[in-house]
Formats: sequence, C-alpha cells, structure tokens
Amino acid sequence: NAGVMQNPRHLVRRRGQEARLRCSPMKGHSHVYWYRQLPEEGLKFMVYLQKENIIDESGMPKERFSAEFPKEGPSILRIQQVVRGDSAAYFCASSTRTGVGNTIYFGEGSWLTVV
Amino acid sequence: QQQVKQSPQSLIVQKGGISIINCAYENTAFDYFPWYQQFPGKGPALLIAIRPDVSEKKEGRFTISFNKSAKQFSLHIMDSQPGDSATYFCAAGVQGAQKLVFGQGTRLTINP
Repeated sequence: NAGVMQNPRHLVRRRGQEARLRCSPMKGHSHVYWYRQLPEEGLKFMVYLQKENIIDESGMPKERFSAEFPKEGPSILRIQQVVRGDSAAYFCASSTRTGVGNTIYFGEGSWLTVV
Repeated sequence: QQQVKQSPQSLIVQKGGISIINCAYENTAFDYFPWYQQFPGKGPALLIAIRPDVSEKKEGRFTISFNKSAKQFSLHIMDSQPGDSATYFCAAGVQGAQKLVFGQGTRLTINP
C-alpha cells in the first residue's frame, strides 16, 4: 500500500535543536498538506504546498517553522530551535488535485517530543 | 467563525447500539464535510464525506445527516462493534478538502 509516507515516525529533540520531518505523498499526488495535532485535540491546518510552491501557509507559526516541497524528493517540515510546546504529532496529507471533489489522504504521522 | 464544534467529547455505547456524534459550524462558505476515524498512534482515515447539496449519505453502517439551515451535521454508526472503538473527527472545508477545520474529536468506546 503506497500511501503517504512520513519519517521519522518518532523524533526526540532537546530544546533549541532543529527538527526535520519528511513526507512522501502518494504516487501521482502533487498536493501536500501539513497538519499538527496537540495531545487530546483535533488537527490544525499548517500549510498547503504544490511542487516548488507554497500555496497557503496561513496556519504556520510566524517564526521557526518552514516548509518546502522541492521538485524532486519529499516535502520537508522544518522546525528550528524547538521548544516544549512544539511537542505534537505532525501529519502530512496529499491529494491529486484541489478544489471541490478532492480527497486528501493522511500519513501515519511523525510524533515529535521536545525534552 | 472558522470553528467546528464537536460533541460529545467521549461516548460509550453497547455493542449493537447506535453511536451518534454531532458537529456544528458557523462559516456558511464550508462546502465539504468529512468524518475521519483515528486509532491510537495512527493517522486519520477518511470514513465518509458529504456536500451541502444532500441531506443524508449512507455507506454501510455509517450515515452522515446534514442540516444546512441549522448548520449541523452528524455521524451515525449503526450496529456499533468493538472494532469501531476509536476517536472520530468531523471536519469542514471551503472548496473541498484544501484546508480543513477539524472538530475536537470524540473518543468512542464500544462495550462488548
């Protein structure tokens, strides 16, 4: 099942370090989305990307967070100088297209723990 | 206005019973209403989705009821089974699933 692949599944970082989360979309999907889930909460939209373009980053924190989806390779969510509040599950999703009628499929998530 | 309010937070149902989870929204621009099922340590999986031009959609034991005037929608799980025990999230999106707003989730437990 070539679904949305995320790695690492679990990541532990000390405060001040950098975290890099990778996402390979489903085959044939060119749209990638990142969501964050805090403990006992629903998912919160962070960013929507197409190849080499950030389409909507309205949910991204203004500092320390960045995302990219290069022409080749996986999408990367980068968190610089992590703090305890960044501890969460980060989910990537992908779709073939956007707009009415599209469906997004989620990966299994990357669990970040900041110690 | 971007919120989706989900209730109850937790729900316990006997095997074979009907599980009902409710959601309400404010933004009338929402045009896509999916429900996701999530097991511990896993990503959300799409269960069923509805658009505002229909009032009900059924897929197997899962039914979405949609009330456009009340801005509410609900998930009904008929003949609930222990394997249905999971956390369920409603969501809403404008122009499809491009940018979903999720409810807080309902932890469903089906007792055997």
